[in-house]
Amino acid sequence: AQSVAQPEDQVNVAEGNPLTVKCTYSVSGNPYLFWYVQYPNRGLQFLLKYITGDNLVKGSYGFEAEFNKSQTSFHLKKPSALVSDSALYFCAVRAPNSGYSTLTFGKGTMLLVSP
Amino acid sequence: GAVVSQHPSRVICKSGTSVKIECRSLDFQATTMFWYRQFPKKSLMLMATSNEGSKATYEQGVEKDKFLINHASLTLSTLTVTSAHPEDSSFYICSAKPGLAGEGQYFGPGTRLTVT
Repeated sequence: AQSVAQPEDQVNVAEGNPLTVKCTYSVSGNPYLFWYVQYPNRGLQFLLKYITGDNLVKGSYGFEAEFNKSQTSFHLKKPSALVSDSALYFCAVRAPNSGYSTLTFGKGTMLLVSP
Repeated sequence: GAVVSQHPSRVICKSGTSVKIECRSLDFQATTMFWYRQFPKKSLMLMATSNEGSKATYEQGVEKDKFLINHASLTLSTLTVTSAHPEDSSFYICSAKPGLAGEGQYFGPGTRLTVT
């Protein structure tokens, strides 16, 4: 079965510093990988995805993520954090054994950016 | 971009009553819609997957008779919480996916249900 791990419940970073939110996955076959962001009492907003091609994926709001097959990771990064980036971030995966139809989420990582 | 709406955004109901939540894809046809439940500071738990015109597929542990899902058209799915109890209070989020496997899922803004 496919699974996603986000090892950090919370990440704290000062505004202007680079940020990384970690994600590792476990699937059989080639995964489709996604990052979503959720603001309080809101639904999820799509940030970026990796399907195939370049391992470095660029997404919305200056975020990017790098697919690393050997480490089965898909960490989310941003060179310079903003206070407005503070939110809950979810990594998610779709796997071929589900026909790429089922999206499995990690437990989420709260990002707090201090001024 | 693709937009998914949910209605209502917030609902308060009395214990024992039923509540219907609507999920609409506004600018695309959703062959598949998903319903999630999210507890405070927790990840999303998939409740069920529905394909237009067919019965929903429920995840293990989700009561079919309590959480009725109808996907009547390619742009509308409804979740009805029947005989609601306080423990059903939660944030319910729907998601819609176009037909292509590589496409992302588009999420609605969520519905906060409070059962008193």
